[in-house]
Amino acid sequence: DIQMTQSPSSLSASIGDRVTITCRASQSIRIYLNWYQQKPGKVPNLLIYNTSSLQGEVPSRFSGSGSGTEFTLTISSLQPEDSATYYCQQSYSTPTFGQGTRVEIK
Amino acid sequence: EVQLLESGGGLVQPGGSLRLSCAASGFTFSNYPMSWVRQAPGKGLEWVSGISRSDGTTFYADSVKGRFTISRDNFKNNLYMQMNSLSAGDTAVYYCAKWKGDQSIFDSWGQGILVTVSS
Repeated sequence: DIQMTQSPSSLSASIGDRVTITCRASQSIRIYLNWYQQKPGKVPNLLIYNTSSLQGEVPSRFSGSGSGTEFTLTISSLQPEDSATYYCQQSYSTPTFGQGTRVEIK
Repeated sequence: EVQLLESGGGLVQPGGSLRLSCAASGFTFSNYPMSWVRQAPGKGLEWVSGISRSDGTTFYADSVKGRFTISRDNFKNNLYMQMNSLSAGDTAVYYCAKWKGDQSIFDSWGQGILVTVSS
């Protein structure tokens, strides 16, 4: 199975900050990398698929980039409602998730 | 609007069995592969199993292979997971999730159902 590793495991940032989360795959997954947001007690929500495509009504402050084995999720200007845990997931082969990155507001 | 509603969870003893169901509505169920994803208390997401649209091709995580069986009924718009030989490590909230097209991108999730394995 392809292992997905996220960094950092948690971060704390201020409103308006630019936030970047990294996800690394144990082998190339081309562009088949997806990001989910999960707020406490809520269901995961698809944010970005195939590295950089925004899902539905996801705000444009979220963006994704990368290819091969290294990917990033960027929040350009952190908002209070962005406090959540973010998971990457590869869809290149049998799906696997990263361990999650908890984003807190200072 | 896509709706996925899980049922069948609860408390089961180690070694026991449970069958989860997921009732789908708001989309053409037979057109989409489906999956089960679980989340142990306080932990991250773990993909468990997947099933193709119609030919019954199934996929399993190593952690459940040989114990869990995924199936679907495209006439009743239902997804199922038969879980046997349950252990404490299977305690989790189980989500059914719809694929986005033919890719294992999970664009809709049920609200989740808790399975607790304990004596």
